[in-house]
Amino acid sequence: GAGVSQSPSNKVTEKGKDVELRCDPISGHTALYWYRQRLGQGLEFLIYFQGNSAPDKSGLPSDRFSAERTGESVSTLTIQRTQQEDSAVYLCASSYPQAGGRYEQYFGPGTRLTVT
Amino acid sequence: AQSVAQPEDQVNVAEGNPLTVKCTYSVSGNPYLFWYVQYPNRGLQFLLKYITGDNLVKGSYGFEAEFNKSQTSFHLKKPSALVSDSALYFCAVREAGYQKVTFGTGTKLQVIP
Repeated sequence: GAGVSQSPSNKVTEKGKDVELRCDPISGHTALYWYRQRLGQGLEFLIYFQGNSAPDKSGLPSDRFSAERTGESVSTLTIQRTQQEDSAVYLCASSYPQAGGRYEQYFGPGTRLTVT
Repeated sequence: AQSVAQPEDQVNVAEGNPLTVKCTYSVSGNPYLFWYVQYPNRGLQFLLKYITGDNLVKGSYGFEAEFNKSQTSFHLKKPSALVSDSALYFCAVREAGYQKVTFGTGTKLQVIP
């Protein structure tokens, strides 16, 4: 596709339920990031994938959060036992391999998660 | 640890006037610096970057930014603001050789007709 896509665009769930968010990066982008953006706030780094290397999970806020990526393609972010404070927009971004100096990220439209 | 500070939550400027959105950073090694823009109800878009070379970098929509190593700053500028520039602007930093990107809290730019 032309850009990073994310699904669903909106998700409303009840407290305590599990949710799964999906990200399709731009083809050829080996790096993939997940961020959380709470209302009126900046981007909070969650996790980073680079090719087949071990992911950087240092930003995951709790063990209820996990993410997977198959090779250099789709990634899923799973939040178990959702809490109201998980309500936010979850953004996915991808970028080129490091060679060539093209380090900028391309963002998807985000998934707006509302936990009731 | 790396960090980014955007000291102004909001910047107001009259249309046609020059604008500056401030950003300072902290990293241990060499910084890669970025500006992104988020228009209402739209995703973040890359605006410009500093990786190496000239301290003054030019980007999309007439924006530019100056890398100042001594002041650890990377302020975003535009000579003449447009109403359509009104948006949320984020500064970001990444340390060379590392993958993690840290974003600032964002500055809302309001251009007044």
